[in-house]
Amino acid sequence: KQEVTQIPAALSVPEGENLVLNCSFTDSAIYNLQWFRQDPGKGLTSLLLIQSSQREQTSGRLNASLDKSSGRSTLYIAASQPGDSATYLCAVELANFGNEKLTFGTGTRLTIIP
Amino acid sequence: EAQVTQNPRYLITVTGKKLTVTCSQNMNHEYMSWYRQDPGLGLRQIYYSMNVEVTDKGDVPEGYKVSRKEKRNFPLILESPSPNQTSLYFCASSRWTGNYGYTFGSGTRLTVV
Repeated sequence: KQEVTQIPAALSVPEGENLVLNCSFTDSAIYNLQWFRQDPGKGLTSLLLIQSSQREQTSGRLNASLDKSSGRSTLYIAASQPGDSATYLCAVELANFGNEKLTFGTGTRLTIIP
Repeated sequence: EAQVTQNPRYLITVTGKKLTVTCSQNMNHEYMSWYRQDPGLGLRQIYYSMNVEVTDKGDVPEGYKVSRKEKRNFPLILESPSPNQTSLYFCASSRWTGNYGYTFGSGTRLTVV
């Protein structure tokens, strides 16, 4: 059974710093990995999708990497801003024809201190 | 705008009173799914559908029903809600072919008293 872990559960950093969020998964036979952002009481916003054949994806100040063999992904946020405060979730989709469900981690709650 | 629309956003109901949460997507996606989110447990899949008239159970299907009569709609039905179904619910959709990831709705916060 796929398990996804995100450590730490919460993180506070001063504005302007670069930071890294971690995600680990137990089954390396994944189809892709997706990072989401969730604001309090709101839905999930997709940030980056990394396909299993890729090593990283970039969007603006965000960079996500994937190492399937070690079961790890990182989300790098450059020059953090107060607007980056949110909960960040990673989710993996197993390479299993049929139910393409996502298995989620429980998230890292990020607070950027002005 | 490409999106998944859920209604209602908030719902308070009483135990045993049947309710339906609607989900609609405008991206012609084949695959749709429902998740619930609970503190400390993360998001867990309730039901999914790979196409019209094709549905199957996820990890936590007890107490829920779904239907997929049209490609764009995937309602979640609670025939007899109970307090342990109080949760935040999300609908998601994706394309069946390719590797495009998922689009999620804004969520429905359900409270059963």
